[in-house]
Amino acid sequence: AQSVTQLDSQVPVFEEAPVELRCNYSSSVSVYLFWYVQYPNQGLQLLLKYLSGSTLVKGINGFEAEFNKSQTSFHLRKPSVHISDTAEYFCAVSWDQGAQKLVFGQGTRLTINP
Amino acid sequence: GAVVSQHPSWVICKSGTSVKIECRSLDFQATTMFWYRQFPKQSLMLMATSNEGSKATYEQGVEKDKFLINHASLTLSTLTVTSAHPEDSSFYICSAGVAGSYNEQFFGPGTRLTVL
Repeated sequence: AQSVTQLDSQVPVFEEAPVELRCNYSSSVSVYLFWYVQYPNQGLQLLLKYLSGSTLVKGINGFEAEFNKSQTSFHLRKPSVHISDTAEYFCAVSWDQGAQKLVFGQGTRLTINP
Repeated sequence: GAVVSQHPSWVICKSGTSVKIECRSLDFQATTMFWYRQFPKQSLMLMATSNEGSKATYEQGVEKDKFLINHASLTLSTLTVTSAHPEDSSFYICSAGVAGSYNEQFFGPGTRLTVL
């Protein structure tokens, strides 16, 4: 079965430091890749997505991610984080175009310390 | 664009009662809607997928008679938790997708259900 792995359940970072949240998935055949952010007691907000084309994808709030087909990874990065980036981040992958299903990673809790 | 709403945002009910949660796509027509359940500090668990006018497809382990899903129109899907028990307390999130949109899903704000 296809799977998505977020290697870090928690990532503490100081404000204005860079951060990378890691995401790996089980197969690179015809994938669509997404990163979502969830603030407490809220739904999911799309940060960025890779559908095709350039492997470096830029999203909202200064985030970017790079699709690496050979390593089946889609790591999320931000060069300088802010307190407001404290949230839960989910990587999601879609393999089955017909069913439109997303498979989510376990989530990474990003905590920004002053 | 692509806004999804849920109602109510939170609900408290007594054990044994039924609760209905609505999910609406406000500015687009959703060919497919999804219902997820999220426990504290955990990821989203897909419960079921529904297409307008047809029966929902439930994931393995999800009781279809307990979690009734109706997708009556291209902008509305409802989840009814029947005979709710405390173990059904959770955060329920819906999402909506559009055919041909690279499987992107647009998420609602979620509904917090507490069963006493």
